[in-house]
Amino acid sequence: ELKVEQNPLFLSMQEGKNYTIYCNYSTTSDRLYWYRQDPGKSLESLFVLLSNGAVKQEGRLMASLDTKARLSTLHITAAVHDLSATYFCSLAGNLIFGKGTKLSVKP
Amino acid sequence: DTGVSQDPRHKITKRGQNVTFRCDPISEHNRLYWYRQTLGQGPEFLTYFQNEAQLEKSRLLSDRFSAERPKGSFSTLEIQRTEQGDSAMYLCASSPVTNYNSPLHFGNGTRLTVT
Repeated sequence: ELKVEQNPLFLSMQEGKNYTIYCNYSTTSDRLYWYRQDPGKSLESLFVLLSNGAVKQEGRLMASLDTKARLSTLHITAAVHDLSATYFCSLAGNLIFGKGTKLSVKP
Repeated sequence: DTGVSQDPRHKITKRGQNVTFRCDPISEHNRLYWYRQTLGQGPEFLTYFQNEAQLEKSRLLSDRFSAERPKGSFSTLEIQRTEQGDSAMYLCASSPVTNYNSPLHFGNGTRLTVT
């Protein structure tokens, strides 16, 4: 059974600093997705990672996938307040989501 | 592209009552998914359709839950004999089958409160 673990579950970030959050999964899976959810809102797609070594970047966010390690990372460069949200990874064709990492950026 | 639409936005019901939610996906999207999300958790998969066919259903889904997509367009999710544990946000999402790797487009959800 595929299990997805995100860590940390909560991250308080300082503006301007860099951080990384992690998504580990238990069995082989193709396609890993990252989504963002603002408080009281629905989920919005950020990245789709399709193969080992895939890297995608959008603004201050960069996601990568290592299928051998069964790990995806979401790297935040020079955090800003606008990035405060909960970030989810998802696998198995979006049938399984992690619990999410809640990011809070403080000035 | 008007996005995924869900109705109602909020529903308060008494324990034991039946409730039905509606989801209208993006018009050209063949796949439609239902999820449940509780506070502090990720979306929990309930079921999904490709056109009118219900292709997968979570084994966690009790017999009180049923979903339909009769004409391959909008979908309904019904919960019979609601329980307090059913209180959650119910999310609908859609994606095009023509792009296997496409991410999901989520609606704003229906928040159910069972009193």
